[in-house]
Amino acid sequence: GAGVSQSPSNKVTEKGKDVELRCDPISGHTALYWYRQSLGQGLEFLIYFQGNSAPDKSGLPSDRFSAERTGGSVSTLTIQRTQQEDSAVYLCASSSEAGIGYGYTFGSGTRLTVV
Amino acid sequence: AQKITQTQPGMFVQEKEAVTLDCTYDTSDPSYGLFWYKQPSSGEMIFLIYQGSYDQQNATEGRYSLNFQKARKSANLVISASQLGDSAMYFCAMRERSNDYKLSFGAGTTVTVRA
Repeated sequence: GAGVSQSPSNKVTEKGKDVELRCDPISGHTALYWYRQSLGQGLEFLIYFQGNSAPDKSGLPSDRFSAERTGGSVSTLTIQRTQQEDSAVYLCASSSEAGIGYGYTFGSGTRLTVV
Repeated sequence: AQKITQTQPGMFVQEKEAVTLDCTYDTSDPSYGLFWYKQPSSGEMIFLIYQGSYDQQNATEGRYSLNFQKARKSANLVISASQLGDSAMYFCAMRERSNDYKLSFGAGTTVTVRA
């Protein structure tokens, strides 16, 4: 696609429910990243994919968070048993390479509200 | 330890004036890249400018320039001739060769341009 697409753009869920957030990167981009941005805060790294594998999952806040990527393309971030502290904007980005000079292209994010 | 420090939480600037956003970074890696992103109220992250650690000249992109002072580990963004549309949150970020897939972000600076 022309840009990084994320869905849904907004999600309100009840505490304890599971949610799935989807990211469709730019076609041909091998690197994919998930970040979390709490209200008025900076970006917190969650996980990175190179192709379908995730060399670094160190940013996932707890074992309630998981992510997968299939076909070197679409990625899904799943949050199980959501808590109120999970409320944030979840941003996905992709990059053609995982090198120093390669910037990210970000999606518009999914705003998650846990009530 | 914080890799990226942005000490100005918020700034006001008059339309048509220039504004400098501070960014200092911390790394022992000789090879790294520095980025600035803009995040308007719509939430998307927009890439502005890039500076590589080995670049001899300061980067410029239109009205944006990066004042790179390597010895001081400083990478300030200068926006010239501010426009109302420049009102946004601005993030400084760094990628290191030793950690070359992960962009580390500062806390951001909110810029408000006044007419």
